Amino acid sequence: QQQVKQSPQSLIVQKGGISIINCAYENTAFDYFPWYQQFPGKGPALLIAIRPDVSEKKEGRFTISFNKSAKQFSLHIMDSQPGDSATYFCAASKGGATNKLIFGTGTLLAVQP
Amino acid sequence: KAGVTQTPRYLIKTRGQQVTLSCSPISGHRSVSWYQQTPGQGLQFLFEYFSETQRNKGNFPGRFSGRQFSNSRSEMNVSTLELGDSALYLCASSLRSGQAEQYFGPGTRLTVT
Repeated sequence: QQQVKQSPQSLIVQKGGISIINCAYENTAFDYFPWYQQFPGKGPALLIAIRPDVSEKKEGRFTISFNKSAKQFSLHIMDSQPGDSATYFCAASKGGATNKLIFGTGTLLAVQP
Repeated sequence: KAGVTQTPRYLIKTRGQQVTLSCSPISGHRSVSWYQQTPGQGLQFLFEYFSETQRNKGNFPGRFSGRQFSNSRSEMNVSTLELGDSALYLCASSLRSGQAEQYFGPGTRLTVT
């Protein structure tokens, strides 16, 4: 119940294409869902986050879609660029006074020029 | 504003030794969380500190401990090192405890030989 399942494990997209990464969770107590981007040798960087009262959130080329009934959320990267090549992690957190994040297993994205 | 800083960046230790890692959060941030990142287990939550109090603890043995100082800086300690403790140890800081945006440092790469 504590897991966040992420797919695919790796993804190859052509420049200008749309990258889609999916995550699913079981614990209905989760109510904060951030996405992180990590480049080799760096720490994860917060990209965008969503709460269950919203079905979609967009920031620039990055969009989170959230389906509360299906307990699924996804990251869409529009107009993917070679500079977007990185590992992406979804995460989830329960309500209450804690910042504990449960992370997905990560998706290695390669955007080909 | 300076980001999260972690020292040292790289560390090589021998089995049985102990190690102390340090994290300085973003100025004004009072919550510090620690995560372990390995290829096999991914990103796993170790513990969270807020206002010098441990708010939450992950599923790690008692050899892993931490503390937070009055200036919000945090240290984590691992005693009796094992080969399996080789990992990237990440610190994340946030303004408060409770689903707050977390910003990660670059990590400390610990190698146990």
